[in-house]
Formats: sequence, C-alpha cells, structure tokens
Amino acid sequence: QKEVEQDPGPLSVPEGAIVSLNCTYSNSAFQYFMWYRQYSRKGPELLMYTYSSGNKEDGRFTAQVDKSSKYISLFIRDSQPSDSATYLCASRGWGKLQFGAGTQVVVTP
Amino acid sequence: SAVISQKPSRDICQRGTSLTIQCQVDSQVTMMFWYRQQPGQSLTLIATANQGSEATYESGFVIDKFPISRPNLTFSTLTVSNMSPEDSSIYLCSVSDGLLGNQPQHFGDGTRLSIL
Repeated sequence: QKEVEQDPGPLSVPEGAIVSLNCTYSNSAFQYFMWYRQYSRKGPELLMYTYSSGNKEDGRFTAQVDKSSKYISLFIRDSQPSDSATYLCASRGWGKLQFGAGTQVVVTP
Repeated sequence: SAVISQKPSRDICQRGTSLTIQCQVDSQVTMMFWYRQQPGQSLTLIATANQGSEATYESGFVIDKFPISRPNLTFSTLTVSNMSPEDSSIYLCSVSDGLLGNQPQHFGDGTRLSIL
C-alpha cells in the first residue's frame, strides 16, 4: 500500500467553479503536508505547506489537514483555465517526503 | 525560495551511454535530492546528495547506476550510467533548507531523458 493515495483524475470543472482535491495517507507520524502544482514540461511548484491539522488559506487556495482521519484537501476557488495542471499532495514525518500520484485538473472556459 | 537550474533540460541518448545531469542552486541549501518521475506515476526518490560524502540511495537504486556528486552547497550532479530504454524518464533535482524535515522542498524543472 502506498503511503499517500491520490485519485489521478482527470478532474474537469468549468471556469469559476471550486476545485476540490483530496489525498489520504497511512502513516500517523506524518506532520508536514504539502501541495504542489505541476504544469506540463515543468517541475512541481510548491503551493501550500502546512504543519499538523487545520486550515491554511493563501489567496484562492485553501489547504485542509485532518489528522484524525488522515485526510488532506486542497480547494481552489474561482478556478481559472490557468489552474489547469497536475496537483500533487505530499506528506512526511521525519523521513523522506511521500508523494501522491497527482490529480490532473482541467478548467474549461 | 531558491532558484534551481537543471541542465540539460532534455536529451535523447543511445543505449549503453551515460549522461550527467547538473543541478545549480542560486543560494546555499542544506539538502539536495534527486527524483525520477515516470509518466502517470508519483515522484520516486533516487537519493539524497550529501555534501562531501557519498550519497544516500533509496532501495532499488545503486551508486554504480546513478553516481551522484555534491562538491558544495549549491551544486550537484546525477549521472545515469549504461542507459537502457527503461531509464527514459524525467529526472528532477530538489532542494530544502531543513535538516529536521521541517522545511519544504522545491524542485527544478527537470531533465527529460529518452533512450533509443
């Protein structure tokens, strides 16, 4: 079993809709949680970085971590075609960073 | 965050040859890592590049196949040796300023490698 599970999608939404992305993880020792955005032919770009449970907001992006259910979420409000990319969740405790497989998001005009 | 430059950005190589990928960071960083990303798959850590000592390899990766150098706090190389078509992938350099795992990792744009 992978330590971080993520639905690969694709997830298609109309422009202006809320994009909801989710991951689950299995290791209760994980404390650090990240979301990366990866455009085609580019490297992963760090979007959100959170520690332990709770919410973090940055502009149109909100990251949520629920350690009791081992659930990680990313919400993108007022989605734009430029948000079309692959989104990767990642988690770690004191060891190496564990990545989900990535969810492809397509925002249609 | 640090600016990470990888060279080459892409290459097409012949079976049996070797290629060295360079990773240059615009500031000193504590940790440098090398990842492989295959189509539709998650990022796989190859090794942690240690300054002044041998790299720490993950299970399934060996030094003879993927020799790594890290001569200072801003530069590292990954060599893919004796390449076969199975080595066709994207190779990514990643850096972090944290020794304790409490700092996020940042990535370069990768090297897209195709083996004929």
